[in-house]
Amino acid sequence: GEDVEQSLFLSVREGDSSVINCTYTDSSSTYLYWYKQEPGAGLQLLTYIFSNMDMKQDQRLTVLLNKKDKHLSLRIADTQTGDSAIYFCAESKGSGGGADGLTFGKGTHLIIQP
Amino acid sequence: DVKVTQSSRYLVKRTGEKVFLECVQDMDHENMFWYRQDPGLGLRLIYFSYDVKMKEKGDIPEGYSVSREKKERFSLILESASTNQTSMYLCASSLRDHQPQHFGDGTRLSIL
Repeated sequence: GEDVEQSLFLSVREGDSSVINCTYTDSSSTYLYWYKQEPGAGLQLLTYIFSNMDMKQDQRLTVLLNKKDKHLSLRIADTQTGDSAIYFCAESKGSGGGADGLTFGKGTHLIIQP
Repeated sequence: DVKVTQSSRYLVKRTGEKVFLECVQDMDHENMFWYRQDPGLGLRLIYFSYDVKMKEKGDIPEGYSVSREKKERFSLILESASTNQTSMYLCASSLRDHQPQHFGDGTRLSIL
């Protein structure tokens, strides 16, 4: 079956790098996504990676994909207080791709220490 | 920018009422989705639609129905609201298959 696992909490000091990890089970996933949710808000698409890529970088964000181990990570460089949020990893559902919805992890709460 | 608009941020209804949650997107997206988000359970897919008048059940469709009469609008209907449907409801849309989903701000629904 499909399952996406993430740690529930991550605490980092302001200015350090944050690395949020995720494992997934569906090897046929086409895309893998990272979303950010601030309190009381909807989900904001941060970045995504196609399954035939190993790495994607976008300003302070770096996504690494290890398809063999079904492991995805999100690195946030120079973490700021505004990065405090819940981060969700998500995979596209099987061969249906985007039209079948996404399977989400339960989210990682990123806590920034001053 | 993609804009997905949910009609209400907060809604309070009574048990047994018929409840409509509305979602509109302005980017001519083909696919639209309804999720609910609950503490400890994450996001779960209720229904989705890949075209006007087309709908597919997600993981937890029981107690819900949907309507997509126009491409830009996707409605979630609670036929007879119950207290276990108290939740945050999130609407999303994507341009087509294998494209990222964009979310609205959510509707926090309380059923008393």
